[in-house]
Order: sequence, then C-alpha cells, then structure tokens
Amino acid sequence: DADVTQTPRNRITKTGKRIMLECSQTKGHDRMYWYRQDPGLGLQLIYYSFDVKDINKGEISDGYSVSRQAQAKFSLSLESAIPNQTALYFCATSGTPGYGGDNEQFFGPGTRLTVL
Amino acid sequence: QKEVEQDPGPLSVPEGAIVSLNCTYSNSAFQYFMWYRQYSRKGPELLMYTYSSGNKEDGRFTAQVDKSSKYISLFIRDSQPSDSATYLCAGGGNNRLAFGKGNQVVVIP
Repeated sequence: DADVTQTPRNRITKTGKRIMLECSQTKGHDRMYWYRQDPGLGLQLIYYSFDVKDINKGEISDGYSVSRQAQAKFSLSLESAIPNQTALYFCATSGTPGYGGDNEQFFGPGTRLTVL
Repeated sequence: QKEVEQDPGPLSVPEGAIVSLNCTYSNSAFQYFMWYRQYSRKGPELLMYTYSSGNKEDGRFTAQVDKSSKYISLFIRDSQPSDSATYLCAGGGNNRLAFGKGNQVVVIP
C-alpha cells in the first residue's frame, strides 16, 4: 500500500463549486504539505502543517483553506473554485529533523483538478 | 525572482549519453539541496540529497553543489530510457523547501 494517498485522483468541477482534496499518510510523520504544480511554474507551496495544531500559509494560499484532522490526515479545500485553480495538486509529508526524521519530503500520487 | 531557477526546456539525449542538469539559487540560508525525479502522472520522488559543497555519487547519478556560486547540478551517466522523467531541483532551510520549475529529460533508445 502507498504511504501517502490522495483522493480523488481526478476531479472535474465547475466554477463556484466547493471542492475538498484529501490526503492520508501511514508514515507516522508529523509534517504535511500541500503543493500545486502548473506547467512552467513547478511546485508551489499552498499550506503546511508541522503538527495537528499547527497550520501555516505557503506562497499561494489565497483561495484555499486546509484542515489537519489528525496526524495522518490533511485536507485542502477550495471554497469557491475558479478556472485558474486548474492544476495538479500534491500532498507531501516529512519527518521532524532531530526526532528521527530529516528534511526529505514524500509525495502522494497527485490529484488532477479541472475547474470549468 | 524565484529562489531556485531551473531552465525547464526539454532535453533529449541518446541512450548512453551523459545528462547534465543545472540550477541556481538565490537564498544564502539554504542548508541542503535535493534532486527529485518525477515520472509522468506520478508524484516526485527523492533522487539525491546533499548538505554541503562538493560531489555526491549514487550509482549513475552525481549531485554537485557549489555554495560559493549558488549552483547545483545533477549528472546522469550512461543514461537509460527509464531515466526519461522530469527532474526537479530544490533548496532547503528553515523547515521548508523551494523547488525549481523542473527539467524534462527524454532518453532516446
């Protein structure tokens, strides 16, 4: 079984709809991240969380929100989707440096989101 | 200006050739550097991880870091068709990673 899973893998929605992307991990990591990937722009950090009670904005958080429901679960919401949020979304996890982990991030398989 | 610059232009090489990929970075606080490989329709996976200036080898892969010029490189020797993928460089420090745009590599049999 994959260590980092994302659901759904593909989603087509319409402008104005609320969308939730979910991420689960079995690696026991405290740190979780949401990125979006666009052609020609690379990976951009949306939000990150270093533990269940910690949520931080990344480079491009406008239009997105997150929820860390448990150590293993981190969801990303688009409250009112717009076409320029069409992208590939990745969840990632990492251990905590100095506590048996390092800075390597492990990525999920991605969710391809299309907003019409 | 992005913290990590990577020329995203596709690179096509014949099988067996050496692949050379380069990135520059602007953040002097970066303490470690990574190269990720991403196959089509997959998430990125870590390929190489270095902390200091110099070379690090792992099989056919060599990562090179020059902190004085803020330059990082990845070399793939004896390239194989299975090396066809997008390669992303990243710099890290202060609990975060900054990624380059990625470089698509195609190895032609």
